Amino acid sequence: NAGVTQTPKFQVLKTGQSMTLQCAQDMNHEYMSWYRQDPGMGLRLIHYSVGAGITDQGEVPNGYNVSRSTTEDFPLRLLSAAPSQTSVYFCASSLAGGSSYNEQFFGPGTRLTVL
Amino acid sequence: GQQVMQIPQYQHVQEGEDFTTYCNSSTTLSNIQWYKQRPGGHPVFLIQLVKSGEVKKQKRLTFQFGEAKKNSSLHITATQTTDVGTYFCAGEGNTPLVFGKGTRLSVIA
Repeated sequence: NAGVTQTPKFQVLKTGQSMTLQCAQDMNHEYMSWYRQDPGMGLRLIHYSVGAGITDQGEVPNGYNVSRSTTEDFPLRLLSAAPSQTSVYFCASSLAGGSSYNEQFFGPGTRLTVL
Repeated sequence: GQQVMQIPQYQHVQEGEDFTTYCNSSTTLSNIQWYKQRPGGHPVFLIQLVKSGEVKKQKRLTFQFGEAKKNSSLHITATQTTDVGTYFCAGEGNTPLVFGKGTRLSVIA
């Protein structure tokens, strides 16, 4: 199993540009999520999905869109990039959310810089 | 909303010394998880605690979940240079998993 994969690894954007960060998992996990990590801020939840066709907002959703058309894929779209979106983005998946056993498997991350 | 506070933010120890990081939630949690992130890497799951007062051990690591299910701790005995990294707690209650800001551990050989 490849686990959770993310592309690209690095990306530089100009303010106002849009792009999609890709995330895929091959573990048949129902639950997928996107986090951003900024220095000293820990991991903050952007959006999450409990299954194909179902998405919901996390703590910091503004400026980002997601969709979940398949169990495997959970892309994150930046609509109009801003310097405040410079961060490291992690995608994660788990068997389920809630109080059941839900170890999060993280991808390697995408380092995004917005100029 | 639910908040998870983690202290200390940084900890520098001599190799062989013990290390503890503490996690406190503003609300009662259904479970708490601990992750380790090496410099330049991604978070890796260490353990999940579910029961009130639960204590689990993994070799030199001891994890505790408070009786009220609002706090947790991770204790490392006799740190080694391989323990270097940032340790995060993450709590789940009536919201999706909320991460603490982490404790960055550096070990001086």
